[in-house]
Amino acid sequence: GAVVSQHPSRVICKSGTSVKIECRSLDFQATTMFWYRQFPKQSLMLMATSNEGSKATYEQGVEKDKFLINHASLTLSTLTVTSAHPEDSSFYICSAQKGGTGELFFGEGSRLTVL
Amino acid sequence: GEDVEQSLFLSVREGDSSVINCTYTDSSSTYLYWYKQEPGAGLQLLTYIFSNMDMKQDQRLTVLLNKKDKHLSLRIADTQTGDSAIYFCAGDYSSASKIIFGSGTRLSIRP
Repeated sequence: GAVVSQHPSRVICKSGTSVKIECRSLDFQATTMFWYRQFPKQSLMLMATSNEGSKATYEQGVEKDKFLINHASLTLSTLTVTSAHPEDSSFYICSAQKGGTGELFFGEGSRLTVL
Repeated sequence: GEDVEQSLFLSVREGDSSVINCTYTDSSSTYLYWYKQEPGAGLQLLTYIFSNMDMKQDQRLTVLLNKKDKHLSLRIADTQTGDSAIYFCAGDYSSASKIIFGSGTRLSIRP
């Protein structure tokens, strides 16, 4: 089946630094990718929707200058958490929507810990 | 706006059937999905149903969609310990280009 790869799976960084998380669709082209954040014991919160070649659409309450999303190709989207703070520590999950069928495939998630 | 709701917990005996329910407010979704999340892991797509279907069966999984009541359910037959996880339903609201998840149902299996 289709695979979505997320990297890194775990990252620890110091407060004030920036962290980039990559999301790749390995065997299909994804015109749309989604970024989610999951707080402990809670559901997924949609952060933004990114379409290849255009600016991401952010959900209300999500700071676009803090969470930079780039969808440069049909197989790669990146999320950069800028000037990270401890409250940004979370599980970030991406998903890619397969053209044609519309199936949604998820990455394994990236656990960010900001010290 | 779109809203998807699930009950938070479900406990079933091993070997019994599990039925996880989901209700949604916006009927404009194209697809409705069921995902499984095991501890510390990402989401695994279990199955999905097109919004113009009423039922879909895939091995031990049966999805029922009642569009009139805006109700989606996932039935797991012969529930096993490996089925312990959080199950999320989600609607694909193509017109708004977003996927909305329910809060997740934590399924626990008792012997």
